[in-house]
Amino acid sequence: NAGVMQNPRHLVRRRGQEARLRCSPMKGHSHVYWYRQLPEEGLKFMVYLQKENIIDESGMPKERFSAEFPKEGPSILRIQQVVRGDSAAYFCASSPGQGPFNEQFFGPGTRLTVL
Amino acid sequence: KNQVEQSPQSLIILEGKNCTLQCNYTVSPFSNLRWYKQDTGRGPVSLTIMTFSENTKSNGRYTATLDADTKQSSLHITASQLSDSASYICVVSAQGNNRLAFGKGNQVVVIP
Repeated sequence: NAGVMQNPRHLVRRRGQEARLRCSPMKGHSHVYWYRQLPEEGLKFMVYLQKENIIDESGMPKERFSAEFPKEGPSILRIQQVVRGDSAAYFCASSPGQGPFNEQFFGPGTRLTVL
Repeated sequence: KNQVEQSPQSLIILEGKNCTLQCNYTVSPFSNLRWYKQDTGRGPVSLTIMTFSENTKSNGRYTATLDADTKQSSLHITASQLSDSASYICVVSAQGNNRLAFGKGNQVVVIP
């Protein structure tokens, strides 16, 4: 049973370009979470999705950021018109159900660098 | 103010020695607390989970304690190994939602 998979592991973009980060949850998991981690900072919640639905996007910036988790395929975190401040590690986690006792399993992260 | 505060921010210990990491939280109503280990360049991996009624839980050389009254937890590493070099993150869940509150982590470096 493969763990949470994220790709690419490293992504370099120039200012103004688009970044697409992909996350495949663990088999049997239908709940996906995206987090951002800046150097020397803790993980910050961005968005929580279930298949085809955004459940909680209160941590997402209002502009340029969007997320989806289609019925088929991986979850996608999309950042449009990237700026240098978007440089960070983006982690995806998945869980088999909702509620605080469902452990979130984390992927290896995507490190985004904006030049 | 962050709901989860960890100390010390970083520490260096000699291989074979013990160390204790601290976590104070204000999350309420409390559901559970996890300690995660995050190796450099990797995602966090859960070490222990503790609920309100649990005072201590061990996972190999890692022992976590919880005092729900004072809202404090500690993670004790016994007989440290070089592979223990990592960031240890305290994560607290509140009742009734899926949101996790993350500490900034304790950065541990074990030297030979």
